[in-house]
Amino acid sequence: NAGVTQTPKFQVLKTGQSMTLQCAQDMNHNSMYWYRQDPGMGLRLIYYSASEGTTDKGEVPNGYNVSRLNKREFSLRLESAAPSQTSVYFCAIKRTSGHNEQFFGPGTRLTVL
Amino acid sequence: SQELEQSPQSLIVQEGKNLTINCTSSKTLYGLYWYKQKYGEGLIFLMMLQKGGEEKSHEKITAKLDEKKQQSSLHITASQPSHAGIYLCGAVGGGSNYKLTFGKGTLLTVNP
Repeated sequence: NAGVTQTPKFQVLKTGQSMTLQCAQDMNHNSMYWYRQDPGMGLRLIYYSASEGTTDKGEVPNGYNVSRLNKREFSLRLESAAPSQTSVYFCAIKRTSGHNEQFFGPGTRLTVL
Repeated sequence: SQELEQSPQSLIVQEGKNLTINCTSSKTLYGLYWYKQKYGEGLIFLMMLQKGGEEKSHEKITAKLDEKKQQSSLHITASQPSHAGIYLCGAVGGGSNYKLTFGKGTLLTVNP
């Protein structure tokens, strides 16, 4: 997971609270992604950013917003957290050469009460 | 949309045994990625397959993509406790801007 950092690692929220998950890379790649991982559901794409200044919806965008602040940072915001958003959130970046594989951050474990 | 089905969902083997995990796609695979995840951690990239009939190996792990490019298998030879974790396959659809669709994962337990 070297090169992709996520903060915080753990977070507990009450229903209705807001928070921003931060993701930063030091690998100078263009594309960044936010996924959530839930038991029995696998990894699902929330939003992605193909390059600085662009963002697009993924499979499950409702209840989330994103900001691609610059090439290095991609944040995920929950405006009004709901228990259904309890999950593990992963940020990933896509290598722009070789196999175009995605590198994942260590994840943020979020619980909404 | 593309769907990936992994089998089995979970697998328990004795150390030293061989095992196979399968990943079947509902559509043609333009790129198939295998990842491993240890509990509480992020995903680690293992291998990528692209061509029909392609086979790649990394240490004791071998992955193959069938000729029709709709199924991939991951084979571990002489399993070790260090192989334990969740194995996920991910696929790129044609023209997808490299959005990956993932299978639900296979949980592998290796008993010493």
